[in-house]
Amino acid sequence: NAGVMQNPRHLVRRRGQEARLRCSPMKGHSHVYWYRQLPEEGLKFMVYLQKENIIDESGMPKERFSAEFPKEGPSILRIQQVVRGDSAAYFCASSTGRTSGSADTQYFGPGTRLTVL
Amino acid sequence: DQQVKQNSPSLSVQEGRISILNCDYTNSMFDYFLWYKKYPAEGPTFLISISSIKDKNEDGRFTVFLNKSAKHLSLHIVPSQPGDSAVYFCSCGGSNYKLTFGKGTLLTVNP
Repeated sequence: NAGVMQNPRHLVRRRGQEARLRCSPMKGHSHVYWYRQLPEEGLKFMVYLQKENIIDESGMPKERFSAEFPKEGPSILRIQQVVRGDSAAYFCASSTGRTSGSADTQYFGPGTRLTVL
Repeated sequence: DQQVKQNSPSLSVQEGRISILNCDYTNSMFDYFLWYKKYPAEGPTFLISISSIKDKNEDGRFTVFLNKSAKHLSLHIVPSQPGDSAVYFCSCGGSNYKLTFGKGTLLTVNP
């Protein structure tokens, strides 16, 4: 029973490059969430997606960041023209969608640690 | 503006004793509360949750208490075990799916 899978686990990029982070939700889960954790901070919500739909992207920076969850394949968080301040751990979570609101328990993946040189 | 506060960055307890982790929130729209445990270099693991219609939820050694009027919740672990040593995050949510997390408390259980 595989949990939420994220890859790569570690990603190093130079300033100005693009970063692509992938997330495969747990089997049977149709809702995906992305969170970012800066050093010494809690996780901060970025975006909530269902298949082919962005439901809430209120936590996403307005520029350079985008997310998708296509009909087939993993969810992708894309960061264009990375800067040093993008260095963080990015966590994906998934839920079944069978319960409404925050009672729909989110299960997290192991995270991708992005380092921007 | 921090909506979820875990005022103790760290806590150290002896094996077998009780660990009490505290969390305060400010947003009265929060109606669902979860605790996650996180080991270094891993993702958060769901531990236990509570709805605002309850004041207590228990699962084995873990109990979460909610005081809605004080906007305060706590996680009790008894008896504490060395394997419980981790960072514990309090998170709060409402009718949307967005969770707001505290900064975490590092629990160390000494053998």
